[in-house]
Amino acid sequence: ILNVEQSPQSLHVQEGDSTNFTCSFPSSNFYALHWYRWETAKSPEALFVMTLNGDEKKKGRISATLNTKEGYSYLYIKGSQPEDSATYLCAHHNTNAGKSTFGDGTTLTVKP
Amino acid sequence: DSGVTQTPKHLITATGQRVTLRCSPRSGDLSVYWYQQSLDQGLQFLIHYYNGEERAKGNILERFSAQQFPDLHSELNLSSLELGDSALYFCASSANIGITEAFFGQGTRLTVV
Repeated sequence: ILNVEQSPQSLHVQEGDSTNFTCSFPSSNFYALHWYRWETAKSPEALFVMTLNGDEKKKGRISATLNTKEGYSYLYIKGSQPEDSATYLCAHHNTNAGKSTFGDGTTLTVKP
Repeated sequence: DSGVTQTPKHLITATGQRVTLRCSPRSGDLSVYWYQQSLDQGLQFLIHYYNGEERAKGNILERFSAQQFPDLHSELNLSSLELGDSALYFCASSANIGITEAFFGQGTRLTVV
């Protein structure tokens, strides 16, 4: 993996469904991985900052895991609600640390 | 409110002109990142400053430059503007480099006509 890739590109689920998406990034020169939530007409909002292999972070119904050796992170949403509808972005920081590379995001739509 | 202030919110200018976008980071944050979001594209990293010094450059055009001042606010200067420079420009600030949350401003919408 040379770039930051997110999958799927979009996801439509029913209210109450649990869902997960993937962020793949270069495993070499890893420094940090950020997850953001981006609602339409707003600016990205930080969810998690993950730095250590095996990190697991949780905020309410949203959680994330990190595998730096294989270069991926999963974001999970348990019991999706319509207000979870947004684009979820991940951003990779390399050991230069100053440079951040964003994936194109996964757009989640939760239907009532 | 993230605490990051970007001005102006909207800017319309003609090709060939020069504009300056301003970013005031959250109080105490030393890092400022600039990003560009063009139509139908994701966030592209432009440049990062930490405590007044340039830390990293992304795909920033030579016509673009930035600086961070002693009071930690930052300015992004865009010159010889082209139609393709029309985009939403975000800045984000964080306390440190990479390992702390970054907070985004509301963005400056630049339209080049």
